[in-house]
Amino acid sequence: GEDVEQSLFLSVREGDSSVINCTYTDSSSTYLYWYKQEPGAGLQLLTYIFSNMDMKQDQRLTVLLNKKDKHLSLRIADTQTGDSAIYFCAESSSPGNTPLVFGKGTRLSVIA
Amino acid sequence: EAGVTQFPSHSVIEKGQTVTLRCDPISGHDNLYWYRRVMGKEIKFLLHFVKESKQDESGMPNNRFLAERTGGTYSTLKVQPAELEDSGVYFCASSPRTGESYGYTFGSGTRLTVV
Repeated sequence: GEDVEQSLFLSVREGDSSVINCTYTDSSSTYLYWYKQEPGAGLQLLTYIFSNMDMKQDQRLTVLLNKKDKHLSLRIADTQTGDSAIYFCAESSSPGNTPLVFGKGTRLSVIA
Repeated sequence: EAGVTQFPSHSVIEKGQTVTLRCDPISGHDNLYWYRRVMGKEIKFLLHFVKESKQDESGMPNNRFLAERTGGTYSTLKVQPAELEDSGVYFCASSPRTGESYGYTFGSGTRLTVV
């Protein structure tokens, strides 16, 4: 079955860049997502990328996709304490129509 | 537009009791999903409704879990009888029909603790 893997923890200093990595196994994945979960809150969609794209940038966020290696990364520039949260990578072969497959989440801690 | 609403936000019940979780999707969203996250593990798919029909229930753990979506609006997920391993955060998500959006909107989740 499909599998999505992420490292569990990342700690960075405020102002530095954070890079969260994710690998997936399903070659039919066509859409890949990054969700953020702050303490006590739901899952907030940060960004998504289509499989025919290599990169997507949205303000401080940069998503890189290496489809050959099935590797996805999320870079957060100028990381702030408010970025501390759990970040989930997820994939779907038919967005909105089929369930998302999630990784275990990466807990990002930002040190002031 | 109102988001996806789930309640209760927290529930603590004893093993063997029954609990019913509710999810109100965004109005007009045909697709409704239930997911569960057990502590420290990935968010796992439980069930997918398209309007009032169960499209995919392959993720439901066992027959102690019953989901309904009468009238294609809100959905309930009942656990009866609850076991200790049912503890976790239950998320609901909704999305419009295919092609209208690439996003799934999630609720804040219900944290279920079975003691």
